Amino acid sequence: AQSVAQPEDQVNVAEGNPLTVKCTYSVSGNPYLFWYVQYPNRGLQFLLKYITGDNLVKGSYGFEAEFNKSQTSFHLKKPSALVSDSALYFCAVRDLDFNKFYFGSGTKLNVKP
Amino acid sequence: ETGVTQTPRHLVMGMTNKKSLKCEQHLGHNAMYWYKQSAKKPLELMFVYSLEERVENNSVPSRFSPECPNSSHLFLHLHTLQPEDSALYLCASSQRTSLIHNEQFFGPGTRLTVL
Repeated sequence: AQSVAQPEDQVNVAEGNPLTVKCTYSVSGNPYLFWYVQYPNRGLQFLLKYITGDNLVKGSYGFEAEFNKSQTSFHLKKPSALVSDSALYFCAVRDLDFNKFYFGSGTKLNVKP
Repeated sequence: ETGVTQTPRHLVMGMTNKKSLKCEQHLGHNAMYWYKQSAKKPLELMFVYSLEERVENNSVPSRFSPECPNSSHLFLHLHTLQPEDSALYLCASSQRTSLIHNEQFFGPGTRLTVL
């Protein structure tokens, strides 16, 4: 069965500092991994995905994620955080049956001025 | 704003009421999903419709009844709900293809409160 884990409920970072939001996965077969962001009172928005190819994936709003097969991780990163990045971030994996997505429990990112 | 809309945005209902949630996607996708989002829990996949056929039902109680009349519309019919069903219900759509792993597009959700 496919699953993802987000070990941190909350991440606090100062504006201008680099940020990392962690995600580890467990899949049978090739992993298809996604990051989504959810702002208050909104649905989830797609940020980026890893299907194959380069381990460093670049996405929206300056975010990137690093796929690490040996550590089964797909951490979300940004070199310089903005206050407006404060939101709930979800990691997800797509099942081999490609209609199913499995989401982590989410990590709340707080960026302080 | 996304190409997926949901109505109503907020709903308060008693345990004996019957109500329906509506989702509409304007993206030409052929797969639609219902998720339940509760605080501090992973998103729970409830139902998947692909090409208007239900392909997933994750042991959801029968008090939740989905309906997909066409590829653009998805409903979730609710009856005799329990207070623990209070949550944000999210609709999503994607394009089903065996070759491309497309991301999902989400609606803004319906905040449901069961009294």
